[in-house]
Amino acid sequence: ETGVTQTPRHLVMGMTNKKSLKCEQHLGHNAMYWYKQSAKKPLELMFVYNFKEQTENNSVPSRFSPECPNSSHLFLHLHTLQPEDSALYLCASSRGPRDTGELFFGEGSRLTVL
Amino acid sequence: KNQVEQSPQSLIILEGKNCTLQCNYTVSPFSNLRWYKQDTGRGPVSLTIMTFSENTKSNGRYTATLDADTKQSSLHITASQLSDSASYICVVTIPDNTDKLIFGTGTRLQVFP
Repeated sequence: ETGVTQTPRHLVMGMTNKKSLKCEQHLGHNAMYWYKQSAKKPLELMFVYNFKEQTENNSVPSRFSPECPNSSHLFLHLHTLQPEDSALYLCASSRGPRDTGELFFGEGSRLTVL
Repeated sequence: KNQVEQSPQSLIILEGKNCTLQCNYTVSPFSNLRWYKQDTGRGPVSLTIMTFSENTKSNGRYTATLDADTKQSSLHITASQLSDSASYICVVTIPDNTDKLIFGTGTRLQVFP
């Protein structure tokens, strides 16, 4: 238990569906992140939020839409995805975006796009 | 180009044996180097964090070393256990305005009885 909870753990969706991934952290951290992990590739940073304000968007396609209503919750809204978007989506948190200490990851949401 | 390369890609060892995983990086300068353990289907969990001025850090049976001159790090696992079966990821932090993390692709370790 890392203090970062992601739901759902597994998601299968069609290319025309709309779904959302949810992340909640119980660590009192101020920064939250979405990462994408594809097979045999390094983790790719997608979005960074600090005090619920987006501070980084690494050229992520608009079919991924993040939302951060407060410092403890982070969502990733998905719509009209492509099969190549199938991957493990990891949420993480830290004390701050420039905190060079610990980064705490959730268990991930395994997404399959048919 | 800032890169982190890990070797081997995969490794199989018998329970009780020791092993060493390698991480070579081209990131310069860097602020810290981390090793994470990721069980299959789970999120990564931090094992060690070393600043550029440290050359060794231990966490139980895991010992990480860092040679900033040769830009190499290693993770040594002593007396391996079945639960050590996982991917081990090396991550280097670039001290820019975002403290960007550069991830390696990981080494997949399998420990058999």
